Amino acid sequence: QVRLVQSGAEVTKPGASVKVSCKASGYIFTGQYMHWVRQVPGQGLEWMGWMNPSSGGTKYAQKFLGRVSMTRDTSINTAYMELTGLTSDDTGVYYCARDSYVGFSGSFSFDSWGQGSLVIVSS
Amino acid sequence: DIQMTQSPSTLSASVGDRVTITCRASQSINSWLAWYQQKPGKAPKVLIYKTSSLESGVPSTFSGSGSGTEFTLTISSLQPDDFATYYCQQYKTYPYTFGQGTKLEIK
Repeated sequence: QVRLVQSGAEVTKPGASVKVSCKASGYIFTGQYMHWVRQVPGQGLEWMGWMNPSSGGTKYAQKFLGRVSMTRDTSINTAYMELTGLTSDDTGVYYCARDSYVGFSGSFSFDSWGQGSLVIVSS
Repeated sequence: DIQMTQSPSTLSASVGDRVTITCRASQSINSWLAWYQQKPGKAPKVLIYKTSSLESGVPSTFSGSGSGTEFTLTISSLQPDDFATYYCQQYKTYPYTFGQGTKLEIK
């Protein structure tokens, strides 16, 4: 079955960076977009962008441009999301989520999610 | 950005009730809408995609409808496992956006 297993919680300081990993199994990693979504405490869900695991191409939400980088290592079926210039407003849970569309000519809903990685930004 | 507005924010209901949650988009998204269920401490789970298509394994008590800017999620007969928070999401235009959520509570 499809599984997305994320890295553990991180506590970091303002101004620092964080890199979250998402290891995929149970499907062809390079066949579907991987999205990143975050959830800030007490707020809803926020889409950060996607990565094409086959080409490495990316699409980021305007809000995160210049601060986010989504990469992958196809040899170990793992996607990464790095966020720089952290502030307390970045404290939250970060999820990877697979696009349900097979291929890269479209995008659909998110049919499999990682368990979430808690990132705490505190001085 | 397309704003997604859900109503109500909180809904109190009993097991066996029929409930409806509404999601309105600030501009037309055709049928590119999904519904997710999230329980505390867990990742969201997709229930409905493309407005009305039921995700595999999701009970048939869940249904979705709508088009353009107004959409609904209906649970025909609430089960104890259904008490959770529900989110709509548009995936027509970047950035993909979610509603603020509807918390379904036990009355």
